[in-house]
Amino acid sequence: DTGVSQNPRHKITKRGQNVTFRCDPISEHNRLYWYRQTLGQGPEFLTYFQNEAQLEKSRLLSDRFSAERPKGSFSTLEIQRTEQGDSAMYLCASSKDRFKSTDTQYFGPGTRLTVL
Amino acid sequence: KQEVTQIPAALSVPEGENLVLNCSFTDSAIYNLQWFRQDPGKGLTSLLLIQSSQREQTSGRLNASLDKSSGRSTLYIAASQPGDSATYLCAVTSITGGGNKLTFGTGTQLKVEL
Repeated sequence: DTGVSQNPRHKITKRGQNVTFRCDPISEHNRLYWYRQTLGQGPEFLTYFQNEAQLEKSRLLSDRFSAERPKGSFSTLEIQRTEQGDSAMYLCASSKDRFKSTDTQYFGPGTRLTVL
Repeated sequence: KQEVTQIPAALSVPEGENLVLNCSFTDSAIYNLQWFRQDPGKGLTSLLLIQSSQREQTSGRLNASLDKSSGRSTLYIAASQPGDSATYLCAVTSITGGGNKLTFGTGTQLKVEL
């Protein structure tokens, strides 16, 4: 069990550029989550996958955001035409799938995005 | 819509003191409540998970209680140490939210001084 990993750890980009982040969950975990955290706030839910299916998206996830988990393993989060308001820590978490209950979510170290 | 509040927002205590962090939530229909620790610029580390049917969980110097009907949880830290300095977040998984996401409070920033 190597934990949840995220790459890159830091990303600085200019407004209007596209960025892509990667998350590798714990290997036997079927569920994968993306959250966004701004300074001084708790994380806010963006989206989640069960295996390769994206089952829920927050209204925070505008049409500039897209997430994929093509083979039910790693996931990518892409932000197109970045804006300064996108500057935040993007956190990925994973958990086992248990019917009608929830398991501990294990978080990665996050990707800090700065949009200039 | 579930809302989670944590009080106090910041706390500074001398080493060795016992302390209590508070968390409240507006919708008592939850699957579970988790307490996390976050060090500056880092991800979240899960400390304790309390299922809705449980009243408390303990891990080392940490004890978390849950009163689901009143929408409250407390995290008790015994004999605090400087290494406990971090932000502590509580989060709930709501039944009405489909049980698929955590709703977080804004955290309590704890500083334990020598």
